[in-house]
Amino acid sequence: QVELQESGPGLVKPSETLSLTCTVSGGSISSDSYYWVWIRQPPGKGLEWIGTIYYNGDTYYKPSLKSRVTISVDTSKNQFSLKVTSVTAADTAVYYCSRRGSDTDYWGQGTLVAVSS
Amino acid sequence: DIQMTQSPSTLSASVGDRVTITCRASQSISTWLAWYQQKPGKTPKFLIYKASSLESGVPSRFSGSGSGTEFTLTISSLQPDDFATYYCQQYNSYPWTFGQGTKVEIK
Repeated sequence: QVELQESGPGLVKPSETLSLTCTVSGGSISSDSYYWVWIRQPPGKGLEWIGTIYYNGDTYYKPSLKSRVTISVDTSKNQFSLKVTSVTAADTAVYYCSRRGSDTDYWGQGTLVAVSS
Repeated sequence: DIQMTQSPSTLSASVGDRVTITCRASQSISTWLAWYQQKPGKTPKFLIYKASSLESGVPSRFSGSGSGTEFTLTISSLQPDDFATYYCQQYNSYPWTFGQGTKVEIK
């Protein structure tokens, strides 16, 4: 059974960089069968797709976040990561990582990141 | 970007009711649509993919239909466990986009 777990600081100061890691167990992140995805949900609001990375490193980002977001994969650790630079209070959200296949979709439990001084 | 619009935003229903949620895409997405259920404080649960395929383990009272720009999620007989917020998501093209959500409340 595949499991995903987000990790990273729960509090980030405005203008700094938010960094999260998603550790994948029960399956290889190098598989060509899946997309690796970051999604966030501000408190009390809906789901927002941030970006997707494929096993070969191809990345796709939400256009309004593209200038501040980087998603990368570390196959040696079976992890993928999210960095968001120059954060503001609007980046406060629960951040989820997920693995999307043709007929499956597994999510981590989510981690709340607050942006505050 | 493809805009996804769900209706209604809130739906009040009783146990046993047949419930239908609509999701409209601003341009054709073929059948590249997923539906999720989310309960407060919980991770979204994958219900349906490719517009009408039921994820393994999802009760058969859930069904999805549609193609192109109009899609529906139907719960044939609403159960107490089904009171939640439902989201559609298109994955036809990047950027992937979600609908704003439909909250199913107890009447």
